[in-house]
Parts: sequence; structure tokens; C-alpha cells
Amino acid sequence: NAGVTQTPKFQVLKTGQSMTLQCAQDMNHEYMSWYRQDPGMGLRLIHYSVGAGITDQGEVPNGYNVSRSTTEDFPLRLLSAAPSQTSVYFCASSYHRGPKYFGPGTRLTVL
Amino acid sequence: AQSVTQLDSQVPVFEEAPVELRCNYSSSVSVYLFWYVQYPNQGLQLLLKYLSGSTLVESINGFEAEFNKSQTSFHLRKPSVHISDTAEYFCAVSVNAGGTSYGKLTFGQGTILTVHP
Repeated sequence: NAGVTQTPKFQVLKTGQSMTLQCAQDMNHEYMSWYRQDPGMGLRLIHYSVGAGITDQGEVPNGYNVSRSTTEDFPLRLLSAAPSQTSVYFCASSYHRGPKYFGPGTRLTVL
Repeated sequence: AQSVTQLDSQVPVFEEAPVELRCNYSSSVSVYLFWYVQYPNQGLQLLLKYLSGSTLVESINGFEAEFNKSQTSFHLRKPSVHISDTAEYFCAVSVNAGGTSYGKLTFGQGTILTVHP
């Protein structure tokens, strides 16, 4: 049981490039979500999903896309990277009403 | 919409002293409450949770938190801290409103606890 895994651990992009952050969980959790963490701002919800084929926007969705084709995977796509998207990104999963389990994070720098 | 306020951004304390990290929330519906801990360069780990039942919840490493509905608070306490408790602590809330609300977790800004020898 690997829990929540994220790849890559580190990434450097140039402004305007696109990329996908991968997230997978092997706990058969129905809820998955993406957060970004910035100093002094805690974690802010980007997008979340309550099951395969169902996604919704969080607090800061602009510039990001998600899809959920399987229970296990929830990739986050940056369409055209901007310096404001420099952050640490965390994926999380949970069962109904349960606490969220977080991945180790992806540290993204946009130049 | 719900919100969470952690009243102290940094809390310095000496080893073996007691500590309280304060958390207040705002919500028009009933809530679930969580405390997470983040060690440097790591992800978040669940410390304890309140879902229902007893308002006093405890973790395996000596922390406890009490849900106070009238004061809308969920303060985290430990009677005697260790150097290894040095970390950032986050309070978080999700609302009990059915539908997709369980998928959303709102965090406070975090409190950095530094334990000095």
C-alpha cells in the first residue's frame, strides 16, 4: 500500500510551457484534491473530485485543469505556466467524511 | 463559505513546557475539524480529527484538541512538548453539508511551533 504518490518531486518550467503533475492513490478513495502551498497562506484548494468523472473547482482554479478518468489517478495540468504558479503542490485523497491523506508534494518553479 | 483562522503565526516554547495552538473557524453549517502537522520538506500528516461524538480528541503522541461549538474553536494542546514537536501545524475544516462538500477542506494559515532546549 503506497498511499498517495506524486511525480515529479521537483520541476522547473519556463513561462508559457505546459506540464502535468501526476497523482495516484491505491486506497480506493473516492475523494481526491489538489492544493497549492505558499508561505504564510496555508494550503489553498485548486480542484477536487468526488469520484471518477466528477470534478469541481476550488478556491484558486485559474490556470489549472483536471480530469478523473479512474478512481486511482487525478492529474493536474498547467496549461501555460506563469511565475505566479511557482509553489509546492500537494495531492490528497480520502474516503467519505474521512481525513485527507497527502502526497509528498511537487515543488514547481516557473521562470 | 467556511473560513479558518489560526491566531498565532509562530509559537516559541521551551522543551517540557505546555503549549496551546489556537484555531477558530467560521461556518453556517456543522463542520468536521482537523489538525495536520508538517515537518520541513515533507507533506502533511493527520494529527487528530473531530467528526462527531466526544468533543475532546487525542492523538497518539500526546496532543489533544477540544471542539467548542459555542466559541467556534478547536485549539490544539500538549502538556509537555519535545524538541521533535518542532514543525508547522495546520488547522482545517470541512463542512457537513452533503453533496460534494466533503471533498473540500479549508486550511488556516499555519502556526510554526519551535521547541527550544
